[in-house]
Amino acid sequence: AQKVTQAQTEISVVEKEDVTLDCVYETRDTTYYLFWYKQPPSGELVFLIRRNSFDEQNEISGRYSWNFQKSTSSFNFTITASQVVDSAVYFCALSEAGTSGSRLTFGEGTQLTVNP
Amino acid sequence: ETGVTQTPRHLVMGMTNKKSLKCEQHLGHNAMYWYKQSAKKPLELMFVYNFKEQTENNSVPSRFSPECPNSSHLFLHLHTLQPEDSALYLCASSQETSWETQYFGPGTRLLVL
Repeated sequence: AQKVTQAQTEISVVEKEDVTLDCVYETRDTTYYLFWYKQPPSGELVFLIRRNSFDEQNEISGRYSWNFQKSTSSFNFTITASQVVDSAVYFCALSEAGTSGSRLTFGEGTQLTVNP
Repeated sequence: ETGVTQTPRHLVMGMTNKKSLKCEQHLGHNAMYWYKQSAKKPLELMFVYNFKEQTENNSVPSRFSPECPNSSHLFLHLHTLQPEDSALYLCASSQETSWETQYFGPGTRLLVL
């Protein structure tokens, strides 16, 4: 069965600190996709990144960076120089092959609070 | 309008009421989804529609009834709900159901009294 574990339930940092959100996944599929979403207090899940299982290159987008390590089944997310606006719940998700196409399995989320 | 929209944003209903949630996507996608997000629980997939056809029902009670008249619109009809059904209901869409990124609406916060 597919599983996504975000062991950090809550993280609190002070503005300008760097913070890493951990994501560990389990799957038997050889082809899969990993995602990160941000959920601010308004409720909408905002798509951040999609990575396929064959591409282990790290990615950087502004203050955001992602470290995909297949050997440890991890897909960690780092925010550099955090800002108050980064406060949100962050979800890691795994796309698995289902009988009717792929479906997303979400982790339980990490509540990030960035204090001024 | 852009992206995925949902109405109403907030809903309070009694257990004997009948109400409907509406979702509309303006992305030209062919697949649409309903998710339930309860406090302290992971997102739960409820239904999947691909090209207007329901392709997945994740053991959802019959008091939730989805409807997908076309690829742009998705409804969730609610009747005789229970207090434990109070949650954030999120709609999403994707190009199709195979590996594509899902884009989410803002959700409807439902409170059942």
